[in-house]
Amino acid sequence: AQSVTQLGSHVSVSEGALVLLRCNYSSSVPPYLFWYVQYPNQGLQLLLKYTSAATLVKGINGFEAEFKKSETSFHLTKPSAHMSDAAEYFCAVSPTTSGTYKYIFGTGTRLKVLA
Amino acid sequence: EPEVTQTPSHQVTQMGQEVILRCVPISNHLYFYWYRQILGQKVEFLVSFYNNEISEKSEIFDDQFSVERPDGSNFTLKIRSTKLEDSAMYFCASSEVADGYTFGSGTRLTVV
Repeated sequence: AQSVTQLGSHVSVSEGALVLLRCNYSSSVPPYLFWYVQYPNQGLQLLLKYTSAATLVKGINGFEAEFKKSETSFHLTKPSAHMSDAAEYFCAVSPTTSGTYKYIFGTGTRLKVLA
Repeated sequence: EPEVTQTPSHQVTQMGQEVILRCVPISNHLYFYWYRQILGQKVEFLVSFYNNEISEKSEIFDDQFSVERPDGSNFTLKIRSTKLEDSAMYFCASSEVADGYTFGSGTRLTVV
């Protein structure tokens, strides 16, 4: 069975500091991996995705994530946090062989950016 | 950029009433989904729909829930007799294949 673990339900960083949001997955088959961002009272916006091409994936708003199979991780990073990055971030896994492409989401990490 | 459209954005209903949440997926997408997010919790899969039938459903998706694609553009989620615990944000999504959905902006359902 697939699962996703996001370490840290709340992360605070200073403006301009590195953002690191952790995601570890469990999957018996090669997965697709995704990061979504959710701003208050809004929907889910795709930040980036890994679909078995390059292991370092660049997304929108300066975010990137690296797929590390040996560590079963897909951590999200951004070199310099902006106030506008404050939001909830969800990691999701989708097994490539399910046929239905359903996502399993992590519990989310709420990012707070301090001035 | 193509969007998934959900209506209404917020619905308040009385316990025991039927509610229909509506979605217009992206026109060339083949897979359709409903997810829900109870306030402060993670996003949970409800159901996937392909080729005019349910392809997978979660244990949450019991007999009170149903989905339908009544025409070529709409995709609906019906809850027959709402309970207080059905209060949540409901997200519709569509995709061509596996490599990334487009989610709608959600319908916030409040059962009173």
